[in-house]
Amino acid sequence: GENVEQHPSTLSVQEGDSAVIKCTYSDSASNYFPWYKQELGKGPQLIIDIRSNVGEKKDQRIAVTLNKTAKHFSLHITETQPEDSAVYFCAARYSTLTFGKGTMLLVSP
Amino acid sequence: DAGVIQSPRHEVTEMGQEVTLRCKPISGHNSLFWYRQTMMRGLELLIYFNNNVPIDDSGMPEDRFSAKMPNASFSTLKIQPSEPRDSAVYFCASSGQSSGTEAFFGQGTRLTVV
Repeated sequence: GENVEQHPSTLSVQEGDSAVIKCTYSDSASNYFPWYKQELGKGPQLIIDIRSNVGEKKDQRIAVTLNKTAKHFSLHITETQPEDSAVYFCAARYSTLTFGKGTMLLVSP
Repeated sequence: DAGVIQSPRHEVTEMGQEVTLRCKPISGHNSLFWYRQTMMRGLELLIYFNNNVPIDDSGMPEDRFSAKMPNASFSTLKIQPSEPRDSAVYFCASSGQSSGTEAFFGQGTRLTVV
């Protein structure tokens, strides 16, 4: 089955800095790579996703890159704000979503 | 749309009791997933339904766990008998297709077995 590794497990940045979270996956059949943000007491919410026929996607302050050859993808958040503080999960999917272990992002004012 | 609806939000039960968690997927979605979240193991897929049929239940930890989807708008996850190690947050998610599309999560059920 699919195996998704995510790094780092925790990330602390100052407000305004950039944050990068990296993931690798094992199943070359995976064709969909979403990123979820989970706030305390809530379910994961999709913030951006990318499909295997695209190398990069951007939505305002967040962007995701995908390298299918190397089987890794990354989340980039620019100009971080305190409200970006949450746990972020990457996932890879062919038939079902397999999640990474999560990254706790803390943005200090 | 109200999104994926789970009930109850919180459940506290005694060891040995039966627990039933409920999920109403987004209307029109034909895939439904049950996940369990713990600090140690993260988000684990328990079972996946497509068009109300269980496709992959390899993540169900033991025979004490069972899941049903009697129709397109309702699913249950049952634990009988419950044990303290079952304490976790259980999420239900639904999506429109089996691959390549977004999965929407409910708010989760926090289960505590004492």
